[in-house]
Amino acid sequence: AQSVSQHNHHVILSEAASLELGCNYSYGGTVNLFWYVQYPGQHLQLLLKYFSGDPLVKGIKGFEAEFIKSKFSFNLRKPSVQWSDTAEYFCAVNKYSSASKIIFGSGTRLSIRP
Amino acid sequence: NAGVTQTPKFRILKIGQSMTLQCTQDMNHNYMYWYRQDPGMGLKLIYYSVGAGITDKGEVPNGYNVSRSTTEDFPLRLELAAPSQTSVYFCASRDMTSGRAGVTYNEQFFGPGTRLTVL
Repeated sequence: AQSVSQHNHHVILSEAASLELGCNYSYGGTVNLFWYVQYPGQHLQLLLKYFSGDPLVKGIKGFEAEFIKSKFSFNLRKPSVQWSDTAEYFCAVNKYSSASKIIFGSGTRLSIRP
Repeated sequence: NAGVTQTPKFRILKIGQSMTLQCTQDMNHNYMYWYRQDPGMGLKLIYYSVGAGITDKGEVPNGYNVSRSTTEDFPLRLELAAPSQTSVYFCASRDMTSGRAGVTYNEQFFGPGTRLTVL
């Protein structure tokens, strides 16, 4: 069965540390990829997305992600985190040209120590 | 634009009660979705709709029903509430674009969620 794995359930970092959150998926075909963020008490919102082209995509608030097709991965990175990045991060994989075949990872909770 | 709105924010139900979770979007999106989010789990798709009058089951539809009489509204109905339906429910909408490369389903816009407890 198709799946999306986010291996880090809870990550704790100090401010200014670098961040990398893993996302691996098991779809075999073409996919569209998304990272969403859920700040405390707020709804999910888009951080960045990959549809095609340059596999390194940049999103809001200094986040970026790299699509490595051979590894079925779409890891999220940020060179220097801030306390305001404390949130839950979800990776989502959408089978290309499918309205409904979307799978979300279980999420990674990021806590930043001030 | 208000985006995607959901009501209520919180609700406690007794076993066997019924209720409707409301979802409205003002972005004229054709595609709408209901998810549930359980602790430590990703979002699970309950039902979705590709346009007014058209709905279909997602991954976990049992115990739920939906309707889509207008583009804007996509209510989720729980007929006989059970403790297993205790969860946070999110509604989402999106549009799609079509071009030479085919159809692309864009990112989803989410509502603020409804926290439901069934006792």
